[in-house]
Amino acid sequence: SQQGEEDPQALSIQEGENATMNCSYKTSINNLQWYRQNSGRGLVHLILIRSNEREKHSGRLRVTLDTSKKSSSLLITASRAADTASYFCATVRQPNAGNMLTFGGGTRLMVKP
Amino acid sequence: DAGVTQSPTHLIKTRGQQVTLRCSPKSGHDTVSWYQQALGQGPQFIFQYYEEEERQRGNFPDRFSGHQFPNYSSELNVNALLLGDSALYLCASSLAGHEKLFFGSGTQLSVL
Repeated sequence: SQQGEEDPQALSIQEGENATMNCSYKTSINNLQWYRQNSGRGLVHLILIRSNEREKHSGRLRVTLDTSKKSSSLLITASRAADTASYFCATVRQPNAGNMLTFGGGTRLMVKP
Repeated sequence: DAGVTQSPTHLIKTRGQQVTLRCSPKSGHDTVSWYQQALGQGPQFIFQYYEEEERQRGNFPDRFSGHQFPNYSSELNVNALLLGDSALYLCASSLAGHEKLFFGSGTQLSVL
């Protein structure tokens, strides 16, 4: 079973716009990670935020975490056509289950040139 | 520095057959995890191997088994294939105690 739900399931924007994806989860977590997947192939790690952190930045990516609401958001600023991909949040539960990830269903992002 | 490599990239089997998928972890990594990703869904954890032993297992039947070799490479075996086993099988490697996973490109398994 999947831990999280991503919202929206699909998102279409113009190049240059910002894209925001949300993730909700059900149990207490050790950390939450965001991954990107191009064309149904391998996943690429984007960013990790720990349960005691509220916000984290990496380049054009900004991730927030609200453990009281059990939710996270991923913001991609100034999107590019190359950002077109599926984005997944994944949680590592508490107690720390090693690095066993529980993924959500993903958001499919399309950035139009 | 080679990343995670998986073989084969595509595989077609019929119901009832058995399949073996292979994974070589990223150089320096000692932990291998396997995930199943059905079309349009997020990956689901199958199991994780460390020090040649299965350390954690997800909600998958015993038809799914694995192995890790002394060189840290790993195999995923699925017996008595069902149509519902059709999916992308992803291998991920990591260093024990580190939370970031590196994924291979996957093996696309089709069961007819």
